[in-house]
Amino acid sequence: AQSVAQPEDQVNVAEGNPLTVKCTYSVSGNPYLFWYVQYPNRGLQFLLKYITGDNLVKGSYGFEAEFNKSQTSFHLKKPSALVSDSALYFCAVKISTNAGKSTFGDGTTLTVKP
Amino acid sequence: KAGVTQTPRYLIKTRGQQVTLSCSPISGHRSVSWYQQTPGQGLQFLFEYFSETQRNKGNFPGRFSGRQFSNSRSEMNVSTLELGDSALYLCASSGGREGAYNEQFFGPGTRLTVL
Repeated sequence: AQSVAQPEDQVNVAEGNPLTVKCTYSVSGNPYLFWYVQYPNRGLQFLLKYITGDNLVKGSYGFEAEFNKSQTSFHLKKPSALVSDSALYFCAVKISTNAGKSTFGDGTTLTVKP
Repeated sequence: KAGVTQTPRYLIKTRGQQVTLSCSPISGHRSVSWYQQTPGQGLQFLFEYFSETQRNKGNFPGRFSGRQFSNSRSEMNVSTLELGDSALYLCASSGGREGAYNEQFFGPGTRLTVL
């Protein structure tokens, strides 16, 4: 079984400050980890993924995420938040035997205030 | 390339009716997955089709079914609608070399309201 936890329903940061959105996962075997963003009344947009290799991965719009195997975490980060980053963020995990099935966390609403 | 398209975008039905939703994946993508998104349950996996075969299935009742055509377009059907089926239904496709390492590309969703 695979599961994802996003412990914070809401994250508030001021524009220009660094942001972190937390994600932990549980899988049997090696995980493939993803972050997606959803704007109101839209589908999900892919931000970045960890497959293998460097634990720090960089993605779209200046976002990055750090994979930590010992802590089973994959936190999303950005050095300087923008008001336009305000959206709903989902962490997801897949495993090799279920290539088309993403298991999502419950989502974290990020609000960046000017 | 055109993105994933879903039709219709909005749908209103009454209890007991059935509904069919359509999804056209990105050209060349052979995997199509369906998800149900609700405020209370979040994003739940329904099923995945790959080359016209159902490859994965989530924990939904048999009223939820799907199929995929030879051009990779997919349809999802819900029979005997219940109030709890009101949700945003998202379709996602992935391609390239098939594998769990591929990200999914999502359509805008179909908003189903059951009255």
